Amino acid sequence: DAEITQSPRHKITETGRQVTLACHQTWNHNNMFWYRQDLGHGLRLIHYSYGVHDTNKGEVSDGYSVSRSNTEDLPLTLESAASSQTSVYFCASSDGQGSSYEQYFGPGTRLTVT
Amino acid sequence: GQNIDQPTEMTATEGAIVQINCTYQTSGFNGLFWYQQHAGEAPTFLSYNVLDGLEEKGRFSSFLSRSKGYSYLLLKELQMKDSASYLCAVRDISGGYNKLIFGAGTRLAVHP
Repeated sequence: DAEITQSPRHKITETGRQVTLACHQTWNHNNMFWYRQDLGHGLRLIHYSYGVHDTNKGEVSDGYSVSRSNTEDLPLTLESAASSQTSVYFCASSDGQGSSYEQYFGPGTRLTVT
Repeated sequence: GQNIDQPTEMTATEGAIVQINCTYQTSGFNGLFWYQQHAGEAPTFLSYNVLDGLEEKGRFSSFLSRSKGYSYLLLKELQMKDSASYLCAVRDISGGYNKLIFGAGTRLAVHP
């Protein structure tokens, strides 16, 4: 069955370190998204991609970067982790076809920056 | 600007009906989604509305009024497993890209 996975599921890192969160989908979807979820804010869009080599900034992109070298993967990198980046991170994908653009979410990565 | 409002918390009784409201303001509206999210889990798709009116899917229904910037999710015959957060999300196409903008979510507690 097609799926979307994230790794690691839990990560503790120190302030200033570079961290990369992986997202891999086997739906063959063109569109991929990264969100962070914090209490009281809901899901906020960090970066998104509509195809290989396409990346775009979302609402809260400062301090994050992504690259899309193939259809399946959209890794999220925190260049220099800050305590404000402690959050739960969700990756999502959609096929971009049809009218619904339903997004399928990965299980999430809980990141703690100490 | 963009703004999505929904109540923070609601409680309801098993077997009852509950309506969760969502109001939105966005410049490039092109559809509204409802997602369910159980604690510690990923959001899962419930419904999508792009035209005015009611969409029914089993115990769940979703309504949209584009002119009023308003939607609601109706849950009937509530079960304990319906205790979860319900996320309203607007599909926005301003700037030439499709994006989902989420509300903060409504945490629903169903009690016996």
